[in-house]
Amino acid sequence: GAVVSQHPSRVICKSGTSVKIECRSLDFQATTMFWYRQFPKQSLMLMATSNEGSKATYEQGVEKDKFLINHASLTLSTLTVTSAHPEDSSFYICSVLGPSNQPQHFGDGTRLSIL
Amino acid sequence: SQELEQSPQSLIVQEGKNLTINCTSSKTLYGLYWYKQKYGEGLIFLMMLQKGGEEKSHEKITAKLDEKKQQSSLHITASQPSHAGIYLCGALPNSGGSNYKLTFGKGTLLTVNP
Repeated sequence: GAVVSQHPSRVICKSGTSVKIECRSLDFQATTMFWYRQFPKQSLMLMATSNEGSKATYEQGVEKDKFLINHASLTLSTLTVTSAHPEDSSFYICSVLGPSNQPQHFGDGTRLSIL
Repeated sequence: SQELEQSPQSLIVQEGKNLTINCTSSKTLYGLYWYKQKYGEGLIFLMMLQKGGEEKSHEKITAKLDEKKQQSSLHITASQPSHAGIYLCGALPNSGGSNYKLTFGKGTLLTVNP
């Protein structure tokens, strides 16, 4: 069965809207989760590392005020795309670092479309 | 930074044929992961390789890591339409330790024709 649950699977909304994506670890407690972004026909690009109980660490070039990450519990991390614009349209995937830190288990992704 | 190059970028095979996908790293690999992704969906973990010369199998899929730990190959025997999808290799940084950030290759799109 699924190890990671990501919700929603698809979002279509107007420009300027803030969108929240949830990533839940179902089978184990996860102190570390990762958020990726994937453009069509391209690979996954790591956006940030979500750390339970502390601030997320962002990759170079990723705006932390644009992509807010909250990891308030050992089973839930959220990514909020604030004031989304069409260029934020993409496929967002989260992953959870497994027991003994390997491997990463991925959610089913969220397709975000900003009109 | 570490870069992973996958080849081929895409592959079309007839059902029942064998195929190989390669993943080459610009640096020595600390850990190499193979994932499968269907378009618009999440990634399914296939295998993880860490030791030089290591080989693992899962059903009809075999993955190897070369002795120098800079290249991995994924081999599918007697391919089925269910094998179709995007195969991604991912690598841990050579520093290891507590850095578990994966770098991914661009993927290989596999189509299996019945």
